[in-house]
Amino acid sequence: RKEVEQDPGPFNVPEGATVAFNCTYSNSASQSFFWYRQDCRKEPKLLMSVYSSGNEDGRFTAQLNRASQYISLLIRDSKLSDSATYLCVVINTGFQKLVFGTGTRLLVSP
Amino acid sequence: NAGVTQTPKFQVLKTGQSMTLQCAQDMNHEYMSWYRQDPGMGLRLIHYSVGAGITDQGEVPNGYNVSRSTTEDFPLRLLSAAPSQTSVYFCASSPHGGSADTQYFGPGTRLTVL
Repeated sequence: RKEVEQDPGPFNVPEGATVAFNCTYSNSASQSFFWYRQDCRKEPKLLMSVYSSGNEDGRFTAQLNRASQYISLLIRDSKLSDSATYLCVVINTGFQKLVFGTGTRLLVSP
Repeated sequence: NAGVTQTPKFQVLKTGQSMTLQCAQDMNHEYMSWYRQDPGMGLRLIHYSVGAGITDQGEVPNGYNVSRSTTEDFPLRLLSAAPSQTSVYFCASSPHGGSADTQYFGPGTRLTVL
């Protein structure tokens, strides 16, 4: 079983739609969680951190469920520019090692 | 600031050849790391460094060497290239380490080994 698992998609949604991605992690000692965005053939860039209480940044909302060991990303009012791959990233205790999911691809169409 | 730079952008090697992928950052970050990204595998950590003179292995270190003689530079050496090393390689840096720190990635090097 992979340490961090994501649905690879693609998720095809029209502009203006709301879409949600989930990511599950297997290590219960994981301590920090992030969503990164990666455009086609580009480097990953931090989208947002995920806090225990949940957090929002504009149209993006991230939530953490420690009991079920998953994090989620909700995108409201999707834009064409949101088309990208979204990477779930988990950091485990003890060492500063980032574990990346394989990513979920989002395609927003007009 | 240029951020994290990587050279070359593209490289084709023959099996058995050696080469060095260059990575440099101008943000005075202590922590630097190398990842490879393969379809269906996600990014996997090859080697990392928590400061000049200190390096350690990540998840997939075999076939690669690193050194960190300065804070700015963190080259990745392929000792004897194999087709299994065909991948996209990303260098990243962060101020103190992975924990709660944003990772800044370079633009990547696309390597093909024939």
